[in-house]
Amino acid sequence: QVQLVESGGGVVQPGRSLRLSCAASGFTFSGYGMHWVRQAPGKGLEWVAVIRHDGTKEHYADFVKGRFIISRDISKNTLYLQMNSPRAEDTAVYYCARDVNFGMDVWGQGTTVTVSS
Amino acid sequence: QTVVTQEPSFSVSPGGTVTLTCGLSSGSVSTNYYPSWYQQTPGQAPRTLIYDTNTRSSGVPDRFAGSILGNKAALTITGAQAHDESDYYCVLYMGSGIWVFGGGTKLTVL
Repeated sequence: QVQLVESGGGVVQPGRSLRLSCAASGFTFSGYGMHWVRQAPGKGLEWVAVIRHDGTKEHYADFVKGRFIISRDISKNTLYLQMNSPRAEDTAVYYCARDVNFGMDVWGQGTTVTVSS
Repeated sequence: QTVVTQEPSFSVSPGGTVTLTCGLSSGSVSTNYYPSWYQQTPGQAPRTLIYDTNTRSSGVPDRFAGSILGNKAALTITGAQAHDESDYYCVLYMGSGIWVFGGGTKLTVL
């Protein structure tokens, strides 16, 4: 079945780095754009980044631009989010989601990132 | 900075109908924003209800319908059930590869 499974979350110190992964299965990974969406504790959903199906273009929310990098490895059916210089306000559950017609149709279960010294 | 607006909370009686809306702090929502809707219960991942204005995601009952009403996107739930009590989020495609979520609506069924 179509599935997305995130991993890589944990506790990271401010200014260090962390890489999140999202393993895709059950569909042709190379045929879909992919998003990262996050949710801070007690807050709403927040769009973070998107990458084209072929990995040739990425876009970011202003609050992560220049710090986070979205990428994908089609040979491994895996999406990544490299979090550089994280801040306390980046503490959140991070979800990956598949794009469909400029929306998101399949979601992972999320991975929790805590930025704390 | 354009803000996507949603009602913070809404209440509906069991069996009743409720329409949640998704607007813009400046301007009107049209199909060009590809509005989509998500349901989320505490501690769970979001569940996709509607994408591309009015396309139901796989497995979503036809009690859920998306539309454009006036200058906003709308999610109408008919025959509300207790398990519909959740947070509902919309997201709009703003163009240039940018999406923005609304703040969410907490729906109570009572």
